[in-house]
Amino acid sequence: DVKVTQSSRYLVKRTGEKVFLECVQDMDHENMFWYRQDPGLGLRLIYFSYDVKMKEKGDIPEGYSVSREKKERFSLILESASTNQTSMYLCASSTTTGAGNTIYFGEGSWLTVV
Amino acid sequence: AQSVTQLGSHVSVSEGALVLLRCNYSSSVPPYLFWYVQYPNQGLQLLLKYTTGATLVKGINGFEAEFKKSETSFHLTKPSAHMSDAAEYFCAVSASGYSTLTFGKGTMLLVSP
Repeated sequence: DVKVTQSSRYLVKRTGEKVFLECVQDMDHENMFWYRQDPGLGLRLIYFSYDVKMKEKGDIPEGYSVSREKKERFSLILESASTNQTSMYLCASSTTTGAGNTIYFGEGSWLTVV
Repeated sequence: AQSVTQLGSHVSVSEGALVLLRCNYSSSVPPYLFWYVQYPNQGLQLLLKYTTGATLVKGINGFEAEFKKSETSFHLTKPSAHMSDAAEYFCAVSASGYSTLTFGKGTMLLVSP
């Protein structure tokens, strides 16, 4: 089974803190994604990466950055956390053979910024 | 550009009743379509997907969906609801040649005894 592991399930951070959300996948997938989930808004793509050191902006990249130094690991960084970034963050991965491939999700990280 | 519209943020059914969750999509290229389910405090799990071929797709837990190009729809159905089906369901679309998914806003399925 594909395993996408998000290191922290629940985090509480203060406004202005730098926050790292870590994600690791064990299936040698080329593509990795960070989505944000909010009630009534569904999932929105923040950033994705199709290869090591490569990244592409999604629909809502403002206030976020990402890092992919190794194929299996994709980190989401909030440079200066704000209360409007309180949300559920979902990491995902997939193979790179074009559209139609299943995207596998982690369990999610609940971030509260106070 | 692609988009997904899920009709109804909440759908309530009785145990044993038909489940119908509606999804319409917009895509400028032939779409690949997905349904995911999310149980409380968990990530998303794939229920089923349509890529090419047969337009009626069967998934896990007795769910199925039919791709209707003329109606730009991909509605999810299950003949008989079970209490364990209570969850949030997301429809998603991706376009040929791309790997990202565009999600609908989700439909919460409530199942009463």
